[in-house]
Amino acid sequence: DTEVTQTPKHLVMGMTNKKSLKCEQHMGHRAMYWYKQKAKKPPELMFVYSYEKLSINESVPSRFSPECPNSSLLNLHLHALQPEDSALYLCASSQPFQPQHFGDGTRLSIL
Amino acid sequence: AQRVTQPEKLLSVFKGAPVELKCNYSYSGSPELFWYVQYSRQRLQLLLRHISRESIKGFTADLNKGETSFHLKKPFAQEEDSAMYYCAPLGAGNNRKLIWGLGTSLAVNP
Repeated sequence: DTEVTQTPKHLVMGMTNKKSLKCEQHMGHRAMYWYKQKAKKPPELMFVYSYEKLSINESVPSRFSPECPNSSLLNLHLHALQPEDSALYLCASSQPFQPQHFGDGTRLSIL
Repeated sequence: AQRVTQPEKLLSVFKGAPVELKCNYSYSGSPELFWYVQYSRQRLQLLLRHISRESIKGFTADLNKGETSFHLKKPFAQEEDSAMYYCAPLGAGNNRKLIWGLGTSLAVNP
């Protein structure tokens, strides 16, 4: 399996909801990433997990909460999001310092 | 600070014409550079890595340390090459994250 799988593909939520984005890879990669991407813009790094430990938090608001339950899974818990958080959320994985493999993303809309 | 510049936001060429997407970087030390491509409605994917010196889908890129450039080239563009292209060096230090350019949208016209 050489893919990064993200669920759900689309998510619409209100500003008071709590939801989670999920990401899974079975390539044995030890680094996993969350990115936010707006239309026609490059991805913006949010979080990096290396060997299941959070190694980078790019000053992301606390309404986004990452979790890495094991080496294959990465979650992003969402709570009290704002309309400006509407975007495509990408998960990626890699061996440390190696090219990253991306999932298809979750398209998130905040009402 | 490490930076990458893709000077063209949009590049439009005709099918069969040569294409060059520019990428300039500022970097201390030995850079490791990548080109990623994002086709419409598809996932972001690695196109080229400078250390591999491969040709993928007819594209090549040569690292020019003197000019600090890593331009992407293809001698004969195809319509299916239409996509967004990102140049991304790997940052230095312990937390080696990708530094993304703003991207160049390539449109290949029939």
